[in-house]
Amino acid sequence: DGGITQSPKYLFRKEGQNVTLSCEQNLNHDAMYWYRQDPGQGLRLIYYSQIVNDFQKGDIAEGYSVSREKKESFPLTVTSAQKNPTAFYLCASSIAASNYEQYFGPGTRLTVT
Amino acid sequence: GEDVEQSLFLSVREGDSSVINCTYTDSSSTYLYWYKQEPGAGLQLLTYIFSNMDMKQDQRLTVLLNKKDKHLSLRIADTQTGDSAIYFCAESIIPDTGFQKLVFGTGTRLLVSP
Repeated sequence: DGGITQSPKYLFRKEGQNVTLSCEQNLNHDAMYWYRQDPGQGLRLIYYSQIVNDFQKGDIAEGYSVSREKKESFPLTVTSAQKNPTAFYLCASSIAASNYEQYFGPGTRLTVT
Repeated sequence: GEDVEQSLFLSVREGDSSVINCTYTDSSSTYLYWYKQEPGAGLQLLTYIFSNMDMKQDQRLTVLLNKKDKHLSLRIADTQTGDSAIYFCAESIIPDTGFQKLVFGTGTRLLVSP
C-alpha cells in the first residue's frame, strides 16, 4: 500500500530535550512538508522540501530543523529553542512542489512538559 | 495578504444537507481544496476545484466557487453520522519561487446527529 507514515503517534518529552519526528512516504513524491496544528487553528507550514537535499523554511520554522537525505524520508527535529512545542504535527507529500494536491500522514501528537 | 476564514461549528441532522462556507483573500489562488480530518487523524483530501471553474460535483459533494466574492462552499448531500469531522478549506498560492503554498482555514467542526 502506498502512503505516508508518521511515528510515533504520541510522543512525550521533558522541556529542554530535542525530539525527532519521523515521516516516511513510498509514493515516490518529490515534495514533502511539515505542518503544525494547534487547537482551533488551521495548519501552519514549518518546513518544506521540493527535492532531495533541499529544504526551505515555512512560516514558523524557528525552533525546528529538518533534513532530506532520502526521497522517502523527511524527519523533523523539534529543538529546545521552540518555545511552545506541544502540538499535533502533520507531514505531507505531493508529486511536485508546484500545483499538486498534498497527501497527509496520520500525524504525531507531541506533548512537552 | 493570505487569509482563509471559516465558521467554527456546524450542526445538522442525519439526512439533511450540510453547507460549509469559506472565504479567502488571495485572488491569485489557482486551486482551492477541501480536506476532512477525523479525530486524532491526518487530513484526507475530499475534493478540489480549479479557480476557473464555478462548480464541481463529486457524488454527495458539491463545491461552489464565487471567484468575484472569493467565496467557496462545500455541500454534503444526505449527511451521515460518519461525516462528522473537521473540514478544512485551503487555497493554493504559487509565489515567484514556484512552490505551491497551501493556506488553510481554521476548520469547521461538523456534528451530525441521528
